[in-house]
Amino acid sequence: DIQMTQSPSSLSASIGDRVTITCRASQSISVYLNWYQQRPGKAPNLLIYAASSLQSEVPSRFSGGGSGTHFTLTISSLQPEDFATYYCQQTDSIPYTFGQGTRVDIK
Amino acid sequence: VQLVQSGAEVKKPGASAKVSCKASGYTFTSYGFTWVRQAPGQGLEWMGWMSAYNGNTKYAPKFQGRVTMTRDTSTSTAHMELRSLKSDDTAIYYCARDSPSGWPGYWGQGTLVTVSS
Repeated sequence: DIQMTQSPSSLSASIGDRVTITCRASQSISVYLNWYQQRPGKAPNLLIYAASSLQSEVPSRFSGGGSGTHFTLTISSLQPEDFATYYCQQTDSIPYTFGQGTRVDIK
Repeated sequence: VQLVQSGAEVKKPGASAKVSCKASGYTFTSYGFTWVRQAPGQGLEWMGWMSAYNGNTKYAPKFQGRVTMTRDTSTSTAHMELRSLKSDDTAIYYCARDSPSGWPGYWGQGTLVTVSS
């Protein structure tokens, strides 16, 4: 299975901050990568697919980048509703494994 | 689009659990379904995908032989059955429908399956 490793595991940030989360794959996955947001007690929500494509109705402050084994999710200006856990997921080969998650807290 | 999952279940080790996901608001056979689970306080785990059009499936090797994903087009419902349950199968099970992007864009509310003797 392809291992996905996110960093950091958690971070504290303030409203308006620029936040970047990194995801590394154990082997090259081209751009076959999704990003999800999960708020406490809620189902995940797809933010980014194919590494950098913004899912419909997702705010433009979210952006994704990278290819191969190194990927990033950036929130350009953190809003109150963005405090949540974020997961990357590779979709290159089955099983479509997730990273362990990055929790974003209020500083 | 709305996905409504069946209610919480408590099962004994060795039993089976069948979670349902009733879809509404679109043509059921137009999009596939993914099943993802989340153990208490843990991360997400992909279990598999099913085409609502023809029932074709892709399962994670970890669950192969123990999971079956099916659909009933007459009721617009997707099902996921997990057999030979163990305590570490205790989790919230989510169904999710593909979006036009091809990836899970609509999610059910989740179903808690508890495995305990």
